[in-house]
Amino acid sequence: GNSVTQMEGPVTLSEEAFLTINCTYTATGYPSLFWYVQYPGEGLQLLLKATKADDKGSNKGFEATYRKETTSFHLEKGSVQVSDSAVYFCALSGSSGANNLFFGTGTRLTVIP
Amino acid sequence: GAVVSQHPSWVICKSGTSVKIECRSLDFQATTMFWYRQFPKQSLMLMATSNEGSKATYEQGVEKDKFLINHASLTLSTLTVTSAHPEDSSFYICSARDPPGGSGELFFGEGSRLTVL
Repeated sequence: GNSVTQMEGPVTLSEEAFLTINCTYTATGYPSLFWYVQYPGEGLQLLLKATKADDKGSNKGFEATYRKETTSFHLEKGSVQVSDSAVYFCALSGSSGANNLFFGTGTRLTVIP
Repeated sequence: GAVVSQHPSWVICKSGTSVKIECRSLDFQATTMFWYRQFPKQSLMLMATSNEGSKATYEQGVEKDKFLINHASLTLSTLTVTSAHPEDSSFYICSARDPPGGSGELFFGEGSRLTVL
């Protein structure tokens, strides 16, 4: 079946530190992979996505590469800011399409000045 | 991007009562909305797909008589937790898909935390 495992957190970093949030997946077929971010008091927002192996999704300085060989989609950012403090969710869409997203548990990131 | 809003964001109720959570698409019409539930330290799980003007499609293991979903208009879906019990305490999130012709992206509400005493 489909499932997503991501770093549990919480993660606390100083401003300008390097961020990695690990995400691995199990899936049948060829899923699309997503990172969503939820800022305090707001709904989940799509941060980036990749639809096939070796694709790199990027947005707002965040990057993640779809690695089929390691079934991973780790989120990285070279220099985090206080405004990046949020909960990050890794997700995949099943073979039936993006109607059914399988989410990880979410990782809370806090960036301190 | 499009905006989806949920209300209430936080609700506490007594065991045995029913609670209604609203999900609205504020600036677009959504023929399809989705309801998710998240338990502490667990993944978001899709509960059901809400279709405007027709019955909701429930995922396996979700009790349709306990979690009543109504999608009476193109901008509003409601989830009613009937005869709530403490094990129904959870974080409920809705999403709506940008309609055909748009990005096809899913837009999420801010979530509603239900605590049943």
